[in-house]
Amino acid sequence: QQQVKQSPQSLIVQKGGISIINCAYENTAFDYFPWYQQFPGKGPALLIAIRPDVSEKKEGRFTISFNKSAKQFSLHIMDSQPGDSATYFCAASKKLARLTFGEGTQLTVNP
Amino acid sequence: SQTIHQWPATLVQPVGSPLSLECTVEGTSNPNLYWYRQAAGRGLQLLFYSVGIGQISSEVPQNLSASRPQDRQFILSSKKLLLSDSGFYLCAWSSRAGGFDEQFFGPGTRLTVL
Repeated sequence: QQQVKQSPQSLIVQKGGISIINCAYENTAFDYFPWYQQFPGKGPALLIAIRPDVSEKKEGRFTISFNKSAKQFSLHIMDSQPGDSATYFCAASKKLARLTFGEGTQLTVNP
Repeated sequence: SQTIHQWPATLVQPVGSPLSLECTVEGTSNPNLYWYRQAAGRGLQLLFYSVGIGQISSEVPQNLSASRPQDRQFILSSKKLLLSDSGFYLCAWSSRAGGFDEQFFGPGTRLTVL
């Protein structure tokens, strides 16, 4: 019930393309869904987050799409750039509870 | 603004030696504090979390322990390191004010046990 399943494990995209990372959860009580970006040798940084009262949230080239009925959410990176190459983690939690993280996706954007 | 510090940044230790990693948070009070370990190319494994001074919860049985001697200080320790303790150790904090576990991570400590 506490799992968050993330796919794919790794992703290679050409510069200018769209990167899509998917996450699925089981616990219907989850109501906070953040994405973290981690560069090699650095700590993860909060990238963008969504609450289930909206189906989409956009910040610059990064968009979270949320499908409550399917219990899925995804990160879209538009116009992907080599500087976006990093590991991305999805996560989920319910109020007053700890985050549950996905296993991570290693994104490589080729120039 | 809030900042989180970890030190040392890198550490190479022999098997059987003790360990002490420190994490401090500035600019906030009464945070939740977390220790994670990340193996190379892998996900985040939660080791310990704390909701207050002296309050530590362990997520996995292991060779490590944690302490919180002050509100904004979190320490990860071991009496005798194992090879399997090598990894990237991350400290994180979150505020309880908003009700949601919005965690912010420190820069990490790279530990190599030889």
